[in-house]
Amino acid sequence: AQSVTQLGSHVSVSEGALVLLRCNYSSSVPPYLFWYVQYPNQGLQLLLKYTTGATLVKGINGFEAEFKKSETSFHLTKPSAHMSDAAEYFCAVTKDSSYKLIFGSGTRLLVRP
Amino acid sequence: GAGVSQSPSNKVTEKGKDVELRCDPISGHTALYWYRQSLGQGLEFLIYFQGNSAPDKSGLPSDRFSAERTGGSVSTLTIQRTQQEDSAVYLCASSPNNRLHYEQYFGPGTRLTVT
Repeated sequence: AQSVTQLGSHVSVSEGALVLLRCNYSSSVPPYLFWYVQYPNQGLQLLLKYTTGATLVKGINGFEAEFKKSETSFHLTKPSAHMSDAAEYFCAVTKDSSYKLIFGSGTRLLVRP
Repeated sequence: GAGVSQSPSNKVTEKGKDVELRCDPISGHTALYWYRQSLGQGLEFLIYFQGNSAPDKSGLPSDRFSAERTGGSVSTLTIQRTQQEDSAVYLCASSPNNRLHYEQYFGPGTRLTVT
């Protein structure tokens, strides 16, 4: 069965600093991987996804993630944090023969001025 | 175009009452999903509709939960005899039936509070 682990329920960075949110997955088949962002009192918005092809995926708002099969990881990065990046971030997985999103527990990003 | 909409945005109900939560998917999207977001359980899949196929109800936590999708569009999630543990945010998502099938678009959610 697939599962997703997000290390760190809270991450705090200074404005302008590198953002790194960690996600590891377990899957018996090549997965489809996603990062979603949730702002307060809002639904989930897709940041980026990996299905096939290039392992470095670029998303919205300057975020990117790299699929590393050998490490079963899909960490989310952004070179320079902005105050507006403060939100909760969810990593999710679904496999080819399935459709349900299986979410990690989420990481709340705090950006300090 | 318009995104996924959900109503009501907030619902407070007394324990034991029934509630109905509504989801309007993006026009033309054939797949519709319900998820629940709670403090203790995180984000959980509840039910999935795809076109005219039988829904996948494998995520529904008990027989007090049911959902229907009329005309392949609007969906209603019904919780009967609500319990305090049903308090959560209920999220609806829709997806087009093409190669972007796995890209789900979420509504703002309905926050349910059972007192």
